[in-house]
Amino acid sequence: DTEVTQTPKHLVMGMTNKKSLKCEQHMGHRAMYWYKQKAKKPPELMFVYSYEKLSINESVPSRFSPECPNSSLLNLHLHALQPEDSALYLCASSQQGRTEAFFGQGTRLTVV
Amino acid sequence: SQQGEEDPQALSIQEGENATMNCSYKTSINNLQWYRQNSGRGLVHLILIRSNEREKHSGRLRVTLDTSKKSSSLLITASRAADTASYFCATDRYSSNTGFQKLVFGTGTRLLVSP
Repeated sequence: DTEVTQTPKHLVMGMTNKKSLKCEQHMGHRAMYWYKQKAKKPPELMFVYSYEKLSINESVPSRFSPECPNSSLLNLHLHALQPEDSALYLCASSQQGRTEAFFGQGTRLTVV
Repeated sequence: SQQGEEDPQALSIQEGENATMNCSYKTSINNLQWYRQNSGRGLVHLILIRSNEREKHSGRLRVTLDTSKKSSSLLITASRAADTASYFCATDRYSSNTGFQKLVFGTGTRLLVSP
């Protein structure tokens, strides 16, 4: 299984809502990532988890809260988002010692 | 910012033609990778070239790397309509704290291949 699975594929939420994005991989990768991508822009790193511990937080606002319950799952909890947070949110994973990243298909988030 | 620049931003060609896109980066690297992204979807890893390599081939893809100029190019030969996508270069920054790499993507080239 060489897939990274993200759910949901699309999400529309109000600014007062709380929602979660989910990511799952069964490749045994011990690093997992969240990226944010705005239209016609490159992906920008948000968080890195290695061995289920948060390793990198790229100064992301606290309304985004990552969680890594186990080595296969990565969540991104969303609360009190702003319309400018609307974007494609991409999850990725990689194997230690390898630099190639495997990406999920993303969650298209719209904040209204 | 370590973010690389790619040019052209957009490229439109006919099927059968070759497509060349270029990437420049700012810091020293271990590897440089190229990824492809179909419209609004996830990225797919295409090829990795190490800093001590100058050229690499994979099927219809040819990648070159010039570390003295901090630049790389991706050539797609005999393009097909199915090659229509955005192409991103990515450089890695290794973190000794975590033992994992952090990918920084270039600005991307949008390729349109017309039948």
